[in-house]
Amino acid sequence: AQKITQTQPGMFVQEKEAVTLDCTYDTSDPSYGLFWYKQPSSGEMIFLIYQGSYDQQNATEGRYSLNFQKARKSANLVISASQLGDSAMYFCAMREGLQGAQKLVFGQGTRLTINP
Amino acid sequence: DSGVTQTPKHLITATGQRVTLRCSPRSGDLSVYWYQQSLDQGLQFLIHYYNGEERAKGNILERFSAQQFPDLHSELNLSSLELGDSALYFCASSVSGGDGYTFGSGTRLTVV
Repeated sequence: AQKITQTQPGMFVQEKEAVTLDCTYDTSDPSYGLFWYKQPSSGEMIFLIYQGSYDQQNATEGRYSLNFQKARKSANLVISASQLGDSAMYFCAMREGLQGAQKLVFGQGTRLTINP
Repeated sequence: DSGVTQTPKHLITATGQRVTLRCSPRSGDLSVYWYQQSLDQGLQFLIHYYNGEERAKGNILERFSAQQFPDLHSELNLSSLELGDSALYFCASSVSGGDGYTFGSGTRLTVV
């Protein structure tokens, strides 16, 4: 069963606009963590933001914020004031549980293109 | 530099051959995870080691094996290589089982 779903294979946004990348997840574990990674064309995986299932507030890191809606099981990434350098693949990932094997499960990714 | 070192960065080899990918985790991290990223399968979890012990296996083929050494570096061995094994192989490390994960820059394997 698909645990992380990113429904937008590609998105095109004008520079300086805000953009929301969708992510829904599926888990029966009450303890989990949600991550967003950026993968530019050079290939490296860059950590952007983290949200824990028990966190009361939505996570923010600079221009990145995570719109966490627990009841809907969604964890959308919001990028404010997009820049040309934001063009990349973006992956949503989930870690289930707090103990034991805690691998990350990734979604299929969204390719974001920022147009000047 | 993320602190996780993967070597080599690029590898081109023929079908049927065997290769070894190496990962040095970030200082202090005990967990190493291996992932395979291919165009058709996305990012797939292969295996997780914690302080030298295997903790979890994902979609890892029998032709693939891994180990983590006492100095905590890890190696992923790929044998009897097929064209379909061409992919970007990442390792990631974390302090314990599930805190922040730091990825290496990957090894791009091309099987010809």
